[in-house]
Amino acid sequence: DQQVKQNSPSLSVQEGRISILNCDYTNSMFDYFLWYKKYPAEGPTFLISISSIKDKNEDGRFTVFLNKSAKHLSLHIVPSQPGDSAVYFCAASDPGAGSYQLTFGKGTKLSVIP
Amino acid sequence: DVKVTQSSRYLVKRTGEKVFLECVQDMDHENMFWYRQDPGLGLRLIYFSYDVKMKEKGDIPEGYSVSREKKERFSLILESASTNQTSMYLCASSLFGRGGTEAFFGQGTRLTVV
Repeated sequence: DQQVKQNSPSLSVQEGRISILNCDYTNSMFDYFLWYKKYPAEGPTFLISISSIKDKNEDGRFTVFLNKSAKHLSLHIVPSQPGDSAVYFCAASDPGAGSYQLTFGKGTKLSVIP
Repeated sequence: DVKVTQSSRYLVKRTGEKVFLECVQDMDHENMFWYRQDPGLGLRLIYFSYDVKMKEKGDIPEGYSVSREKKERFSLILESASTNQTSMYLCASSLFGRGGTEAFFGQGTRLTVV
């Protein structure tokens, strides 16, 4: 049973426009959420995170929004650049479960078209 | 600068071979993880460890074992490699602690079992 879902396998956006990547989760015990970016043949790199006590976190061109009641988070990239083309993974953590693992979604492949 | 290093970028092994994947981190992190990434399936947790000599099964431990004799090193062992273990293997580490913490990933090992 998938606890973190990224329902869009791929997304294409024009350079300079906004990219919005979505993520839904089912486990109400998740209280920390992260986005990772992954290029082919490389490991994922951390992008931005948000704690459940917040509803927004911003870092430069990247903003993550959290809607706890809907169990939904999104990553906004503004403006999108060709170098942003990568696979983006949403991840969630439930520290109360006694483990420290991250549960990942299946990823969304973002293509930014010049 | 944080660093998680995996011993090989690419490996080709024969069916039935015993395979060792090594991972070293220099951040003094307590937690270490092994994931595999497959197209359309995202990152799936194989095993993790939150202390020396401690290990916990993840979501897909079958066919794998792990070893953590030193804090900085976490090894993944494929006891008898099979073709369905052809995948990208990713090691990660993170700090112990509640409240959420990001995991840092190595560059990945692309394993092909023939």
